[in-house]
Amino acid sequence: DAGVIQSPRHEVTEMGQEVTLRCKPISGHDYLFWYRQTMMRGLELLIYFNNNVPIDDSGMPEDRFSAKMPNASFSTLKIQPSEPRDSAVYFCASSFHRDNIKAFFGQGTRLTVV
Amino acid sequence: DQQVKQNSPSLSVQEGRISILNCDYTNSMFDYFLWYKKYPAEGPTFLISISSIKDKNEDGRFTVFLNKSAKHLSLHIVPSQPGDSAVYFCAASTGAGSYQLTFGKGTKLSVIP
Repeated sequence: DAGVIQSPRHEVTEMGQEVTLRCKPISGHDYLFWYRQTMMRGLELLIYFNNNVPIDDSGMPEDRFSAKMPNASFSTLKIQPSEPRDSAVYFCASSFHRDNIKAFFGQGTRLTVV
Repeated sequence: DQQVKQNSPSLSVQEGRISILNCDYTNSMFDYFLWYKKYPAEGPTFLISISSIKDKNEDGRFTVFLNKSAKHLSLHIVPSQPGDSAVYFCAASTGAGSYQLTFGKGTKLSVIP
């Protein structure tokens, strides 16, 4: 398996623009997670899905952030409008419920909002 | 409020010696703990885990120790190798069907040849 695939790897956008991050989880995994990594706060869970259904979005910082999982092989994290403080590395991860919550991470998307 | 704390931002160790990375937690509901390793420009990769019913788990050169009374766990790497140089994250979960992981901020390990 190719692992968790995220795109793009790097994104530079202007403040106020919409940004969409994409994730393809490992085939067969039934959990998908979106994390954000910053120097100040480390790795924070934003939202996670089980069988394509959002379970907990309490980590989503503001209404500007939204996430969808239209099917088992694809998820998006959207920021609209983007702000400079959204600059961070965003990771997608997936896991299988019988695998003791061991999550596999993608390589991340480094987002810079100028 | 940080529920998982890694108080040492960095650690340098000579090749061949033991590396000990520490992690403390505050939430007594945590019952499953994991260590992840992260190289620059890559995502974290799973290294080793331990359930709260155990106090030790070993996998090759890596051993994790759990002290529940002290709410403390540590990762031992013996012998340390230059390829172990990375950022190590401690993570915890409350289990019981919860698949959320709470991460520490990481410790950067440098193994000096």
